Amino acid sequence: NAGVMQNPRHLVRRRGQEARLRCSPMKGHSHVYWYRQLPEEGLKFMVYLQKENIIDESGMPKERFSAEFPKEGPSILRIQQVVRGDSAAYFCASSPYTADEAFFGQGTRLTVV
Amino acid sequence: QQPVQSPQAVILREGEDAVINCSSSKALYSVHWYRQKHGEAPVFLMILLKGGEQKGHDKISASFNEKKQQSSLYLTASQLSYSGTYFCGAYNQGGKLIFGQGTELSVKP
Repeated sequence: NAGVMQNPRHLVRRRGQEARLRCSPMKGHSHVYWYRQLPEEGLKFMVYLQKENIIDESGMPKERFSAEFPKEGPSILRIQQVVRGDSAAYFCASSPYTADEAFFGQGTRLTVV
Repeated sequence: QQPVQSPQAVILREGEDAVINCSSSKALYSVHWYRQKHGEAPVFLMILLKGGEQKGHDKISASFNEKKQQSSLYLTASQLSYSGTYFCGAYNQGGKLIFGQGTELSVKP
C-alpha cells in the first residue's frame, strides 16, 4: 500500500504564474488535509476535503488559493498569480475516517522567484 | 482551537529523558503525536483516544489525562535519532486536524 504521494516534490514558479500541487491519498482514505509550513515554523492548516466536498477552508486565503478533491484523481491545491510570500513547503495528509490516524506526504517545496 | 505545546525547545545529551506536553482548554476527542526531521515530512508516532490512556513503543510513550485536556510525550534514554520537531495534533468537532506550534528536540552526543 503506497503512502500519501505528493508531486511535484519541488516547484519553481515566477511571480504571477500558477502553481498546481497534487496529492494522492493512501488507498482507502477519503479525507485530505492541506498544510503550509514556513522554515522553522509549524504546520498551518489550510483546507480539509472529502471526496468532491470542501469541508473546512478556514485556513486558506480567500483570493488566489483554491482546492479540490474530485471523485477520480488526486486532490489539487491551486495557487494563482503566485507571489514571493507563497514560497513554503506544502504538505497534505490523508485519513480513512474523521478523527482517525492521518499520514503525511513528502510535501511540495514551492519557490517563487 | 490550537493545542498548546511546552516547552518550545529542549536540548538533551544522549541517554537523558524528556517530556513534551500538549494541552487544550477544551476536551479533545483524540490526540496525535508526530515527529518531523529537518527537511522531511511529519511522521506519525501514535494516537491516544481514551482518557487515562497510556501507550508506547520502544522508549517513546505518551499519556492522555482523564479529562482529555492534556497529553504528554515521554522520551526515555534519548538517542541521536530522536532529534527533530515534535507536534501534537487534535481534531475539532468539524473534523479539522490542527497542530500545536511544535517542540524542537536536540539530542547531543
